Amino acid sequence: DGGITQSPKYLFRKEGQNVTLSCEQNLNHDAMYWYRQDPGQGLRLIYYSQIVNDFQKGDIAEGYSVSREKKESFPLTVTSAQKNPTAFYLCASSIDRVDSNTGELFFGEGSRLTVL
Amino acid sequence: AQSVAQPEDQVNVAEGNPLTVKCTYSVSGNPYLFWYVQYPNRGLQFLLKYITGDNLVKGSYGFEAEFNKSQTSFHLKKPSALVSDSALYFCAVRDISGATNKLIFGTGTLLAVQP
Repeated sequence: DGGITQSPKYLFRKEGQNVTLSCEQNLNHDAMYWYRQDPGQGLRLIYYSQIVNDFQKGDIAEGYSVSREKKESFPLTVTSAQKNPTAFYLCASSIDRVDSNTGELFFGEGSRLTVL
Repeated sequence: AQSVAQPEDQVNVAEGNPLTVKCTYSVSGNPYLFWYVQYPNRGLQFLLKYITGDNLVKGSYGFEAEFNKSQTSFHLKKPSALVSDSALYFCAVRDISGATNKLIFGTGTLLAVQP
């Protein structure tokens, strides 16, 4: 079945360590997104990518980095510069062609990062 | 700037009663509006969307939403609530400031359906 796979589901890290969250999709979608979810704050956009080898900062990109070397993959690295990294991270993808662009996002199951 | 507001942090309803989860929006131009549902420690699942056309939109699991342009609202409704509907619901609007599919989400409303 087509979908978005995020791993790991749960991750613990010590302060000062970088950690990379994986996101893979087999929907043949052009665009991919990373959102951060905190209680009572909804979802906030970290980074997004509309095409391979290109990505843009979202609203809260500081302390995060991404790459888009393949259409299927959009990993997120949470660096030690991120002041408060404990959160639930959601990856999403969408069709991004103008003629079929209605905005619907498809989400993965999320990764919960806890900094000890 | 585009935005959505969900004025209620939590909605409580008895099983079998109708439910409404409120959402208001602020956009320039015609809005693309969405509702998503999230169960604990899971990703978001698409429920329904309004792009154009009929103001009453029908979606998954018996949910529907009514687009009201004069009140800038897009409330989610269901005629008869189930305990299994208990979850976190998000309203979202497409950000048209750039040529992307970025969605702007509300803060979410927790729906609790009591048996």
